[in-house]
Amino acid sequence: QEQLVQSGTEVKEPGASVKISCRSSGYTFINYYIHWVRQAPGQGLELMGTINPRTGTTSYSQIFQGRVTLTRDTSTSTVFMEMNSLKSEDTAIYYCARRAELAWFDPWGQGTLVTVSS
Amino acid sequence: QSVLTQPPSASGTPGQRVTISCSGSNSNIAGNFVFWYQQFPGTVPKLVVYRSNQRPSGVPDRFSGSKSGTSASLVISGVRSDDAADYYCATWDDSLGGPVFGGGTRLTVL
Repeated sequence: QEQLVQSGTEVKEPGASVKISCRSSGYTFINYYIHWVRQAPGQGLELMGTINPRTGTTSYSQIFQGRVTLTRDTSTSTVFMEMNSLKSEDTAIYYCARRAELAWFDPWGQGTLVTVSS
Repeated sequence: QSVLTQPPSASGTPGQRVTISCSGSNSNIAGNFVFWYQQFPGTVPKLVVYRSNQRPSGVPDRFSGSKSGTSASLVISGVRSDDAADYYCATWDDSLGGPVFGGGTRLTVL
């Protein structure tokens, strides 16, 4: 069964950093791009960036450029999303998703809630 | 502001035909397939239409998609109360070199 499993809920203070993991199983890890999607409370889906697990090449949406870093570990089929300088507005659910083609995202991770609060 | 424009809300009564629109441009919808996702509160988005008009297995045939020019539509024929959810369109944008989402449409079944 193809699936992505994310790390658990995080609570951080403003200014801190957070690193979320997304472990894949059931398919060949290096064959598909992984994207990260943010969903703030009551808001829509916001693409953050993507990583090519085969090469490690990354691309980021403009608003996240410089604050988000995507990495991968091919030995554990895991992708990581690290965001620094957290603000209260970064409180959201963060999803990883495998992109099969174009804008076909499947499967999705279960989501990781990040709460930024003092 | 999303690259793809969707109405923030849509509604219908059970059994009605409901259409959700998604407006884009020549750099995205016009030249690429469109994908539609359904999301219930507290759950992960689920694909309901792929490649503009194809349905994944397990998705009821009352869901259908179409595309014309720079716009796409998701049609729910005979909407049911359990179709009430948020719906997002998505496609590839050639100018941005990556996928893009619409802002989402909340469907209410009255």
